[in-house]
Amino acid sequence: AQSVTQPDIHITVSEGASLELRCNYSYGATPYLFWYVQSPGQGLQLLLKYFSGDTLVQGIKGFEAEFKRSQSSFNLRKPSVHWSDAAEYFCAVGPSGKLQFGAGTQVVVTP
Amino acid sequence: DSGVTQTPKHLITATGQRVTLRCSPRSGDLSVYWYQQSLDQGLQFLIHYYNGEERAKGNILERFSAQQFPDLHSELNLSSLELGDSALYFCASSVGGADYGYTFGSGTRLTVV
Repeated sequence: AQSVTQPDIHITVSEGASLELRCNYSYGATPYLFWYVQSPGQGLQLLLKYFSGDTLVQGIKGFEAEFKRSQSSFNLRKPSVHWSDAAEYFCAVGPSGKLQFGAGTQVVVTP
Repeated sequence: DSGVTQTPKHLITATGQRVTLRCSPRSGDLSVYWYQQSLDQGLQFLIHYYNGEERAKGNILERFSAQQFPDLHSELNLSSLELGDSALYFCASSVGGADYGYTFGSGTRLTVV
């Protein structure tokens, strides 16, 4: 069965600092991996996705993620965080007819 | 605007009642997925429809049911509501399966009192 673990429930980062959110997955074959962002009161927006090929994936809003098969990880990064990046971030794995989401990481950005 | 429309945005109802949540998928998308988001359970997959047919069921209670109509809009019916059913209910759509990711609606916040 597929599963996703986001080890960090909550992360606080200073504006302008770098951000890395961790995601570990369990899946029997090559996974399809996704990162979504949810702002308060909003739906989830797709940041980026990985299917195959280059293991470093670029997404929207300056985010990137790196797929590491040996570590079963798909960590999300941003070099310099803006106050508007404060939100909840979800990692998800597929395929299997549906996406399995992690529990989410809440990101707080301080001045 | 993601292109996925959910109505109503907010719903307050009493225990024991029945409600219907509606979702219109993005133009061209044939798949509709329903998720429940709560603080204690996170995002839980409920059900998936593809072009009018049920394709997969997740943690959906027997009190809940859904359908997808010929125009591809979908409805999620929740009956005999309990306090614990209070949650955000999201609809998402995709062209086919989940492989290319979903487009989410902004959700319906259900409060059962």
